[in-house]
Amino acid sequence: KAGVTQTPRYLIKTRGQQVTLSCSPISGHRSVSWYQQTPGQGLQFLFEYFSETQRNKGNFPGRFSGRQFSNSRSEMNVSTLELGDSALYLCASSLGLATSTDTQYFGPGTRLTVL
Amino acid sequence: QKEVEQDPGPLSVPEGAIVSLNCTYSNSAFQYFMWYRQYSRKGPELLMYTYSSGNKEDGRFTAQVDKSSKYISLFIRDSQPSDSATYLCAMGAVGNEKLTFGTGTRLTIIP
Repeated sequence: KAGVTQTPRYLIKTRGQQVTLSCSPISGHRSVSWYQQTPGQGLQFLFEYFSETQRNKGNFPGRFSGRQFSNSRSEMNVSTLELGDSALYLCASSLGLATSTDTQYFGPGTRLTVL
Repeated sequence: QKEVEQDPGPLSVPEGAIVSLNCTYSNSAFQYFMWYRQYSRKGPELLMYTYSSGNKEDGRFTAQVDKSSKYISLFIRDSQPSDSATYLCAMGAVGNEKLTFGTGTRLTIIP
């Protein structure tokens, strides 16, 4: 079974630009969660999508948005990029809702660098 | 203060040694405790999952939870160079749909 895939793996953008990241979950998984990982803050939850609906949201500004398609693939968008948005963005999929009892499987991440 | 505190390391130990990794937390609602391992340029993978207090063993790995002290540990016996990675603790509460992660401890096993 193929794992979670994320594209692109690396991105370099400049301040003020916008970026779209893509995530394909494991086949049959309906939940996709997005996380931001930085050395100082660790893994921080951005949002979760289940059956094309946002089910949970972390404490990030409105510049961070996402969506999920009918095939469970998900995209994350960051508008008006800031230097502090440089991070590894991880996507995780799970069969059902990503509760504490449901195993999440992570993709390799997209490394975003904002110059 | 963060809900979950984890010493970032780095931690270097010789091959064969016992490794102890720890996290403390402040939210008494946490009941599910996990350890993830993350290799360089990879996403985290689930290593151990424990519910409430107690010990859980899986091969060379033992997860320990002490809810009274709000302290969790991961022990690695007979450490191998392939154990070199960043280890993240994560916690969740019943009815809460998201996990709270520690910042991770970078571990290097020296051959």
